[in-house]
Amino acid sequence: QVQLQESGPGLVKPSETLSLTCTVSGGSISSYYWSWIRQPAGKGLEWIGRIYTSGSTNYNPSLKSRVTMSVDTSKNQFSLKLSSVTAADTAVYYCARLIVVDEAFDIWGQGTMVTVSS
Amino acid sequence: SSELTQDPAVSVALGQTVRITCQGDSLRSYYASWYQQKPGQAPVLVIYGKNNRPSGIPDRFSGSSSGNTASLTITGAQAEDEADYYCNSRDSSGNLVVFGGGTKLTVL
Repeated sequence: QVQLQESGPGLVKPSETLSLTCTVSGGSISSYYWSWIRQPAGKGLEWIGRIYTSGSTNYNPSLKSRVTMSVDTSKNQFSLKLSSVTAADTAVYYCARLIVVDEAFDIWGQGTMVTVSS
Repeated sequence: SSELTQDPAVSVALGQTVRITCQGDSLRSYYASWYQQKPGQAPVLVIYGKNNRPSGIPDRFSGSSSGNTASLTITGAQAEDEADYYCNSRDSSGNLVVFGGGTKLTVL
């Protein structure tokens, strides 16, 4: 079955760029939408954005100026870059597959903790 | 602030029925999906669309919708159902995704 795995640095300095990759295994990345979602400790889920395998993107308006998502179909991976990070960006970051017709995230990665600190 | 509103906490006696609600204008046009999240774990999809359960989700979980409110009902709540529950749907523009703030379910 399809599995997702996030990877990337667990510690990022303030003002720098957070970079994460999600690797899709057990199936093809093609013809699906893929998303990043984050969750600060003790708080709720926040949708960051989505990307289709064509490269088309939609971002959360509150993060849009700092977010870039990309996809590499040859590697079955998609990525997130969040620039100019602050402590408020400290969170568990999840990647997930989106069934867009139902707006449902049916498969999630285990999540990766990213701390913004000097 | 979220465009979808959930009660922060709900409790239910073991074996009883509980309804968790999600309110928002976009729910007049779009269905909500529901997720269960236990401590330290990723969310798990439990209901999507009109009232669809992914494989492996017990049939005590069901979904419904009326007006601007979507509901997740657990009929005969079990101890293992104690978790945080989140709804999500499209935003009022219909183009983006939004989550509710989450409901902490306690099974007494």
